[in-house]
Amino acid sequence: AQSVTQPDIHITVSEGASLELRCNYSYGATPYLFWYVQSPGQGLQLLLKYFSGDTLVQGIKGFEAEFKRSQSSFNLRKPSVHWSDAAEYFCAVGERGTYKYIFGTGTRLKVLA
Amino acid sequence: DTAVSQTPKYLVTQMGNDKSIKCEQNLGHDTMYWYKQDSKKFLKIMFSYNNKELIINETVPNRFSPKSPDKAHLNLHINSLELGDSAVYFCASSLQGRTGELFFGEGSRLTVL
Repeated sequence: AQSVTQPDIHITVSEGASLELRCNYSYGATPYLFWYVQSPGQGLQLLLKYFSGDTLVQGIKGFEAEFKRSQSSFNLRKPSVHWSDAAEYFCAVGERGTYKYIFGTGTRLKVLA
Repeated sequence: DTAVSQTPKYLVTQMGNDKSIKCEQNLGHDTMYWYKQDSKKFLKIMFSYNNKELIINETVPNRFSPKSPDKAHLNLHINSLELGDSAVYFCASSLQGRTGELFFGEGSRLTVL
């Protein structure tokens, strides 16, 4: 069965520090891959997505993610975190040819001033 | 102009009552979803409709009944509410065959007392 694992439930970084949020998936073929961000009391907003092609994808708010097929990973990175980045981050897998999307359990990011 | 809008945003009710949540999208998408987010932020797919046809129906109690009067609307009716139904319910939409990403509403927080 398809699954998405975000091994870090909470991450705390200082403002200005770099960030990497981990995501691993289990899927038979190459899925669609997404990162979403959820601010408190809000819905989920798409940060970036991977469908095919270049394995390093750029997103909004200065985020990027790299698809590594050999590791079944799609880690999210940002070189310098801002206090406004504090939120919940979700990795998701979309099954090609179906309508199913599976979400990881989320990583809560806290940013220290 | 809100792309995916849900009403109400907050709902507090007693056990045993029946309630509905409405969702509308103005993105021209053909697929709509209901997700449930529990207190641990876990997102679980409940239902999906494509062009008014039910295509995903996860193991959800039959007290939950979705209805899609047209492509732009997806409502969720819940009968005989239970304490465990307390959660945030998110509506989402997507356009299959194009970008495939999900666009989320802001959520409806249901509290059952």
